[in-house]
Amino acid sequence: ETGVTQTPRHLVMGMTNKKSLKCEQHLGHNAMYWYKQSAKKPLELMFVYNFKEQTENNSVPSRFSPECPNSSHLFLHLHTLQPEDSALYLCASSQVASGTDTQYFGPGTRLTVL
Amino acid sequence: AQSVTQPDIHITVSEGASLELRCNYSYGATPYLFWYVQSPGQGLQLLLKYFSGDTLVQGIKGFEAEFKRSQSSFNLRKPSVHWSDAAEYFCAVGSSGTYKYIFGTGTRLKVLA
Repeated sequence: ETGVTQTPRHLVMGMTNKKSLKCEQHLGHNAMYWYKQSAKKPLELMFVYNFKEQTENNSVPSRFSPECPNSSHLFLHLHTLQPEDSALYLCASSQVASGTDTQYFGPGTRLTVL
Repeated sequence: AQSVTQPDIHITVSEGASLELRCNYSYGATPYLFWYVQSPGQGLQLLLKYFSGDTLVQGIKGFEAEFKRSQSSFNLRKPSVHWSDAAEYFCAVGSSGTYKYIFGTGTRLKVLA
């Protein structure tokens, strides 16, 4: 497996469910990111982890809870979501401060909240 | 304020025609510039990037982009478009050691046979 992988690719959940999105990067990078992509809106950066430490939380509601157990894995735990949280959730990774900071993206998880 | 503007929301071109997608940015630091492409239901794939040096950069799939500092622009070009190029294209700006990219809102490309 190469690059950045995400599972599941599609997820439908009710507002009372609890689910988790998983991201894994095989690039040896030190930073991982969660983005939200909604229709007709710019990509929204949600969370950033650098060496497993959270360095960015862009005022994301607490119903989204990230977890980074090591530099290769990133989770997004979801609970009591709202229909407006339906979107494509993208994971990315990069090697920050290497002089060639480039983010590489996974294929995304299409989330639908009923 | 830092921003990236992609003024064209939709562009339609005929297969074999040339293409130029516009990107203008406003950024306080020395910019790193990127173009990504997204096919329906997929993540973002890096097409090319500019960090420094030659202002004309070559990318994958026959794309190129030119950095013009005086115009704060980083336009993407392709001399002959293929039907498989139909997708959404995103311009982004960042800088060395930063976690945050600023993305444009994207340009959706349609290719006519």
